Amino acid sequence: GAVVSQHPSWVICKSGTSVKIECRSLDFQATTMFWYRQFPKQSLMLMATSNEGSKATYEQGVEKDKFLINHASLTLSTLTVTSAHPEDSSFYICSAREWRALGGEQYFGPGTRLTVT
Amino acid sequence: AQSVTQLDSQVPVFEEAPVELRCNYSSSVSVYLFWYVQYPNQGLQLLLKYLSGSTLVKGINGFEAEFNKSQTSFHLRKPSVHISDTAEYFCAVKVAKTSYDKVIFGPGTSLSVIP
Repeated sequence: GAVVSQHPSWVICKSGTSVKIECRSLDFQATTMFWYRQFPKQSLMLMATSNEGSKATYEQGVEKDKFLINHASLTLSTLTVTSAHPEDSSFYICSAREWRALGGEQYFGPGTRLTVT
Repeated sequence: AQSVTQLDSQVPVFEEAPVELRCNYSSSVSVYLFWYVQYPNQGLQLLLKYLSGSTLVKGINGFEAEFNKSQTSFHLRKPSVHISDTAEYFCAVKVAKTSYDKVIFGPGTSLSVIP
């Protein structure tokens, strides 16, 4: 089946530093990738949608200059949290949609736990 | 706009008992429907999906769901649960037959299987 990986699985960083999270589709080409944020005991909040080779579309209220998304290839998207602060601590999950997926179903990565101290 | 409601935030059930997790959606257009499962500290895994055709959809791990257009529901069922089914379950909806990619997730239902 379709597999999506994320790296790292967890990261601890100091306030003010930047962190990059990678999302890869391992056995399919993902024309569209999505980045979500999930708080404890809550549902997923879509942050942005990225299409290969074009700029990401951010959801309302998400700072595009703080959460930089790059989708440089059909198998890789990156999320960079710039100048991270403790309030950015969260579980970040990416998903990928295969271009042939008729139903638009998404395949999710295992998530990245970010802790900002 | 589309929305998803999962009325039960927590569902405790004894092992080997049946379970139903409820999902209702709101949409003025045709939709695709999904159920995802999330185990602790992991991403989401697709359980099953309804695109068209038969309203009874079978998925992985013995789960099934039935699409009811008149009641705008897509309830998830399993006849006999196992301890390993303890997880968070999310119902999701997407506008059908468009290139619009946004998937709307429900708030989730926490299933706890009691031994």
